Amino acid sequence: DIQMTQSPASLSASLGETVTIECRASEDIYNGLAWYQQKPGKSPQLLIYNANSLHTGVPSRFSGSGSGTQYSLKINSLQSEDVASYFCQQYYNYPPTFGGGTKLELK
Amino acid sequence: QVQLQQSGAELAKPGSSVKISCKASGYTFTSYDISWIKQTTGQGLEYIGYINTGSGGTYYNEKFKGKATLTVDKSSSTAFMQLSSLTPEDTAVYYCARGGYYSGFDYWGQGVMVTVSS
Repeated sequence: DIQMTQSPASLSASLGETVTIECRASEDIYNGLAWYQQKPGKSPQLLIYNANSLHTGVPSRFSGSGSGTQYSLKINSLQSEDVASYFCQQYYNYPPTFGGGTKLELK
Repeated sequence: QVQLQQSGAELAKPGSSVKISCKASGYTFTSYDISWIKQTTGQGLEYIGYINTGSGGTYYNEKFKGKATLTVDKSSSTAFMQLSSLTPEDTAVYYCARGGYYSGFDYWGQGVMVTVSS
């Protein structure tokens, strides 16, 4: 199975700040990557698919980039409602696998 | 709007089975596969498998073969997952989500907490 390593595991940032979360795959996943946001007690919500495509209804302050084995999620101008955990997921190879998550808190 | 409504929390004894449901609405049910994902604090998110809602064909993560059985009832737009021979390690939140192994999952159910305890 492809291993997905996310960093950092936790992150503290201020309102209005730009935040970047990284995800590294154990082999090339050819942009077969999604990012999810999960708030406490809720189900994950799709933010980004195909590494850089914004899912319908997701604010434009979220963006994804990367290629090969290295990918990142950027949140511009952090808002209070962005406090959540974030997960990456590869779907290039079966079975799909998830990163361990990044917990984002307000400073 | 697209919704996946899952059944309620389960408390089960070791060695027993549970069957949880995922009722879809707001789209053509047979146009999308349904996947199932397990979430625990320790292991994070794990992919169980998916079912082709049109044909009933299934794909399982090797880790969950023999543990999970996926079925579908097209007449009620509902997907099911049965978990058998339950152990405390099966205690988790289980989600259904729209999409197959080849894509991201664009809509998720609210999750079902399954607790295995004697």
